[in-house]
Amino acid sequence: SQQGEEDPQALSIQEGENATMNCSYKTSINNLQWYRQNSGRGLVHLILIRSNEREKHSGRLRVTLDTSKKSSSLLITASRAADTASYFCASTLGGANSKLTFGKGITLSVRP
Amino acid sequence: GAVVSQHPSWVICKSGTSVKIECRSLDFQATTMFWYRQFPKQSLMLMATSNEGSKATYEQGVEKDKFLINHASLTLSTLTVTSAHPEDSSFYICSARDSRVGGNEQYFGPGTRLTVT
Repeated sequence: SQQGEEDPQALSIQEGENATMNCSYKTSINNLQWYRQNSGRGLVHLILIRSNEREKHSGRLRVTLDTSKKSSSLLITASRAADTASYFCASTLGGANSKLTFGKGITLSVRP
Repeated sequence: GAVVSQHPSWVICKSGTSVKIECRSLDFQATTMFWYRQFPKQSLMLMATSNEGSKATYEQGVEKDKFLINHASLTLSTLTVTSAHPEDSSFYICSARDSRVGGNEQYFGPGTRLTVT
């Protein structure tokens, strides 16, 4: 089974609102990453948070990591229509050459 | 920096033919590249890990004789779908890890849409 499980699976919000997406994983991780994918396109790396970090910010993005609950959240503040995309969390289990294991993804729709 | 390209971006082929997809790291060297496939509205599934100068490591359930991977240089990996069938129609995405930088960040290509008729 996949390592990451995001929820909700689909989220629809109004432009300007905040969007919160959650991801849970099952085993210990080295780091967790969030990616965005526009329809039919490749993935864009958003942010990486290491297992010894609890929170990280990048522009309008805020990621938290709770290793005790094996969960992470991605918050997009002041959402824009251009944020409409699918968002995936992905984790590596450990070691410099560990592969990424992706969650199922969340479809975010931001209504203008 | 850290740009990965894929070629072609889309391809239509007839059942039974073979298709080669290229993945290139344009401004960095990548000893390790990864190949994923993605079905509509689904997540990425890792197919194989491509290592420069050695054999690829395939994930369970992925036929290595059907999905041939070659990583002949530090900037190029190719995936060949042999004897393609309609069920091989999918979105294939590669990623590359920068050899010079520690950590696990992968840079993704824009994907290749394969349609087998």
